[in-house]
Amino acid sequence: LAKTTQPISMDSYEGQEVNITCSHNNIATNDYITWYQQFPSQGPRFIIQGYKTKVTNEVASLFIPADRKSSTLSLPRVSLSDTAVYYCLVALGGTASKLTFGTGTRLQVTL
Amino acid sequence: GAGVSQSPRYKVAKRGQDVALRCDPISGHVSLFWYQQALGQGPEFLTYFQNEAQLDKSGLPSDRFFAERPEGSVSTLKIQRTQQEDSAVYLCASSGGQRNTEAFFGQGTRLTVV
Repeated sequence: LAKTTQPISMDSYEGQEVNITCSHNNIATNDYITWYQQFPSQGPRFIIQGYKTKVTNEVASLFIPADRKSSTLSLPRVSLSDTAVYYCLVALGGTASKLTFGTGTRLQVTL
Repeated sequence: GAGVSQSPRYKVAKRGQDVALRCDPISGHVSLFWYQQALGQGPEFLTYFQNEAQLDKSGLPSDRFFAERPEGSVSTLKIQRTQQEDSAVYLCASSGGQRNTEAFFGQGTRLTVV
């Protein structure tokens, strides 16, 4: 399984852009990169997925370089409600069949 | 339903007791997953169903853990002879949406074994 490495924690002020970088050196050809968000006492929630280059949705952007050994989740203009744990995952074969979460990055947003 | 529903939300069991945790996936979702999340850790995969077939149970920690989905919709995770190390949040998720790595998680069942 492709292991991911990401910072344990990050702090940001409200209104700033936050970039969380994840490394996944052993990613395989058919794997996708996917990010989830988890609030306390809730299950994880899908944010975004990508295979290469850049993907953007209404919540975030995901940047993936050509070698796909890393990825960066970008959250524009964070608010207090973005305080959560963010997980970077490599989805085997591009499916959700066996997601490996790791410990995630705990993002704390303050005023 | 609108989302994945799990019951009970909280369960306290005495050591040695059997427990059953229920998951109602999103209607029409073919895939269903169970995860275990210890305090301060990320969720860990337990098992995966496609319809009623259990395709992967490699994450079940011991033979005390058993999961079923007999009609391809509702699933039950059963833990026999609970032990203190079984205390965790048990998360159920289902998948079947357009984005292929997107799984929809329930709020989980917090199991405390005393």
